[in-house]
Amino acid sequence: TQLLEQSPQFLSIQEGENLTVYCNSSSVFSSLQWYRQEPGEGPVLLVTVVTGGEVKKLKRLTFQFGDARKDSSLHITAAQPGDTGLYLCAGAKDSGYALNFGKGTSLLVTP
Amino acid sequence: DAGITQSPRHKVTETGTPVTLRCHQTENHRYMYWYRQDPGHGLRLIHYSYGVKDTDKGEVSDGYSVSRSKTEDFLLTLESATSSQTSVYFCAISRTSGTRRADTQYFGPGTRLTVL
Repeated sequence: TQLLEQSPQFLSIQEGENLTVYCNSSSVFSSLQWYRQEPGEGPVLLVTVVTGGEVKKLKRLTFQFGDARKDSSLHITAAQPGDTGLYLCAGAKDSGYALNFGKGTSLLVTP
Repeated sequence: DAGITQSPRHKVTETGTPVTLRCHQTENHRYMYWYRQDPGHGLRLIHYSYGVKDTDKGEVSDGYSVSRSKTEDFLLTLESATSSQTSVYFCAISRTSGTRRADTQYFGPGTRLTVL
């Protein structure tokens, strides 16, 4: 059962454009993480959000956790080729030790 | 850098042979995880450990076993490899301590396994 649905699945844009990736669920999470993965490597943590409504910024990346803690979004401003990669969201529940991952959004930014 | 290494990084094996993948951490964290990543499925949890000799199954545990005899090492064994186990395997650690809550995880570089 896929608890987290990410959209879009694929995204191809040109350098300088803005984009938003969504991570949605019907379940409530105690925290949500965003990772970026490059080919041949493991996922690398970008951010963890824990409070409903929380907004975190990491340079040109803005992360938001929904008020009800069921969804999240990642917004990239003025995308650059270095932003290319697979973006994964993952949610943690109060019970249990494991994270629930979305299937990912594959982003390609061309010069 | 979370101090996680995986070995081997690449392996090709034949159907029916046993395979063991190793995950080693240098930071003495309690929680360790094994995932597999496949196109169209994302990351799926195979097994996890919450302490030495304490392990539990994830959503895709059939055909896999794990062992953790030391804090720093978490082994994943395919008793009799099948072609459906061709995948990229990732180990992860969690820096959460003292609670049951899953939390931020840090991943190793992965092992690409091909079963012919």
